[in-house]
Amino acid sequence: AQKITQTQPGMFVQEKEAVTLDCTYDTSDPSYGLFWYKQPSSGEMIFLIYQGSYDQQNATEGRYSLNFQKARKSANLVISASQLGDSAMYFCAMREGNGGFKTIFGAGTRLFVKA
Amino acid sequence: DTEVTQTPKHLVMGMTNKKSLKCEQHMGHRAMYWYKQKAKKPPELMFVYSYEKLSINESVPSRFSPECPNSSLLNLHLHALQPEDSALYLCASSQGLAGGPSWIADTQYFGPGTRLTVL
Repeated sequence: AQKITQTQPGMFVQEKEAVTLDCTYDTSDPSYGLFWYKQPSSGEMIFLIYQGSYDQQNATEGRYSLNFQKARKSANLVISASQLGDSAMYFCAMREGNGGFKTIFGAGTRLFVKA
Repeated sequence: DTEVTQTPKHLVMGMTNKKSLKCEQHMGHRAMYWYKQKAKKPPELMFVYSYEKLSINESVPSRFSPECPNSSLLNLHLHALQPEDSALYLCASSQGLAGGPSWIADTQYFGPGTRLTVL
């Protein structure tokens, strides 16, 4: 079974608008961390934001925020005021407390920002 | 500073060649990783070093040989590769926090990758 599911292969958003990228996860481990990474066409994976399973507040980092709904096992990334430079592949990922060094990645969502 | 560097940026090699990929970090991280990424796919874990010891080998063919000479350096030695090994090879590092609630927050920082083409 897929542990991280990103159901949107591609998304379009108008510049300056907000966009939500979906991520659902599946784990029986009560302790886990959720990550979002951005990968531009240049190839580098850029860490954006982190949310821990025990965190009470939704994580925010600048224009990025994570809509964490634990009961629904979802961790959607919200990008506010989209910029042309936000066009990239976005990966949701999870590290489980019992998973050792392994990080599980979703299939990714390609975001296109239109001018 | 969250910089991980990788050299070379691009590499083209024949199936009989021997080459090496290099990764370096100076963040004091104690865990280092090699990933392979094919186009439009997520990264696949190959190897993990923790405190300079090989911790994970994800059943990678022996034509890929990792090496961790010290806590800042990670190499991937390539020999007799196949065309299907052509991919983006990403190196990452993390603090390597072990155990406890901080473990799940052990963020990986990635390098820019090496684009490998095997002819």
